[in-house]
Amino acid sequence: AQSVTQLGSHVSVSEGALVLLRCNYSSSVPPYLFWYVQYPNQGLQLLLKYTTGATLVKGINGFEAEFKKSETSFHLTKPSAHMSDAAEYFCAVGGSNYKLTFGKGTLLTVNP
Amino acid sequence: KAGVTQTPRYLIKTRGQQVTLSCSPISGHRSVSWYQQTPGQGLQFLFEYFSETQRNKGNFPGRFSGRQFSNSRSEMNVSTLELGDSALYLCASSLGTGWDTEAFFGQGTRLTVV
Repeated sequence: AQSVTQLGSHVSVSEGALVLLRCNYSSSVPPYLFWYVQYPNQGLQLLLKYTTGATLVKGINGFEAEFKKSETSFHLTKPSAHMSDAAEYFCAVGGSNYKLTFGKGTLLTVNP
Repeated sequence: KAGVTQTPRYLIKTRGQQVTLSCSPISGHRSVSWYQQTPGQGLQFLFEYFSETQRNKGNFPGRFSGRQFSNSRSEMNVSTLELGDSALYLCASSLGTGWDTEAFFGQGTRLTVV
């Protein structure tokens, strides 16, 4: 079975500040890990993914995430927040059963 | 190339009715998955189809069903609608050949049951 826990349902940062969104996973098989972003009334857009290889993954819009197997974590970071980053972010784990298991999501607010 | 297209975007139905939602995947993609998104339960997996075969099904009652056609387009049907079925239904398409391939999501169908 697979599960994802996103710590913090709401994160608020100032524009220009570091963004850190936390994700911990549980998986009985080597995981594939994803971060998606959702803007209001929109579908999900893939930010980045970890499958195999390099544990530091770079994505779109300046986001990156580091896979830490020992900590079962895949936290999302961005050095400097922009107003346009305000959205809901979802961490997800995939495996061999043709489905994604999502966390509950973290709503990111960026204050001017 | 065109993205994943879901129709309709918005739908209002009465309790007890049935509804059919449609998803057209990206050209060349053979896998279509469906997810239900609600404020309380978040994103939950409904089912996945690949080349007209259901490969996995989530923990939903039998009122929820789906199918995939030979052109990879997919439909999901919900019968005997309940108020709790009000949600955003998202469809995702991918090549379906492995988890290193990206899943592309449509904009969703917002279903309101009154």
